[in-house]
Amino acid sequence: DAGVTQSPTHLIKTRGQQVTLRCSPKSGHDTVSWYQQALGQGPQFIFQYYEEEERQRGNFPDRFSGHQFPNYSSELNVNALLLGDSALYLCASSLLAGGSYEQYFGPGTRLTVT
Amino acid sequence: DAKTTQPPSMDCAEGRAANLPCNHSTISGNEYVYWYRQIHSQGPQYIIHGLKNNETNEMASLIITEDRKSSTLILPHATLRDTAVYYCIVRPALNTGNQFYFGTGTSLTVIP
Repeated sequence: DAGVTQSPTHLIKTRGQQVTLRCSPKSGHDTVSWYQQALGQGPQFIFQYYEEEERQRGNFPDRFSGHQFPNYSSELNVNALLLGDSALYLCASSLLAGGSYEQYFGPGTRLTVT
Repeated sequence: DAKTTQPPSMDCAEGRAANLPCNHSTISGNEYVYWYRQIHSQGPQYIIHGLKNNETNEMASLIITEDRKSSTLILPHATLRDTAVYYCIVRPALNTGNQFYFGTGTSLTVIP
């Protein structure tokens, strides 16, 4: 049973560019949440997708957007990259329809903006 | 926003019990306490959660005070592989989603 997978593992971008990160949830899960983790900090909630819609959103600007596909996989898009967007981006999946709130995290994508 | 307070760091001797405290004095009656840990450069890993009763699983025990304003995660026999950052999280009520708001956690170092 595959856990949560994320791609790519590492990424280097230049200020002003756009980036797309990908996440495949744990088998059987229907909900994907994205988190940003700056160095030395705890993960910060970006948004959550369920039934292909953004269900909840944290305190992040509109430059951060996402999508969930019919197979429950998800993408995180960040436009007009800033140096401050350098972080570990974590994807977590859960089975909201089943009433379980335990989230399973992927290994993350390390984004460096230069 | 995070609703918990944890000490920034702790040490524990290998083989001894590690007791990690968490203060959540503003917790509501229907909010759960969750514990996750994050080993360096990996995604957070679920440990245990509880509402008001003490809980135990194969990884740890969770002791929640009667007034629910604080809790303690207990790793009964700490090993070097338990060195990680431990996060105590209060999960919002069900109808606001199941996203987690992490604080800065406790960095636990298990010493040989």
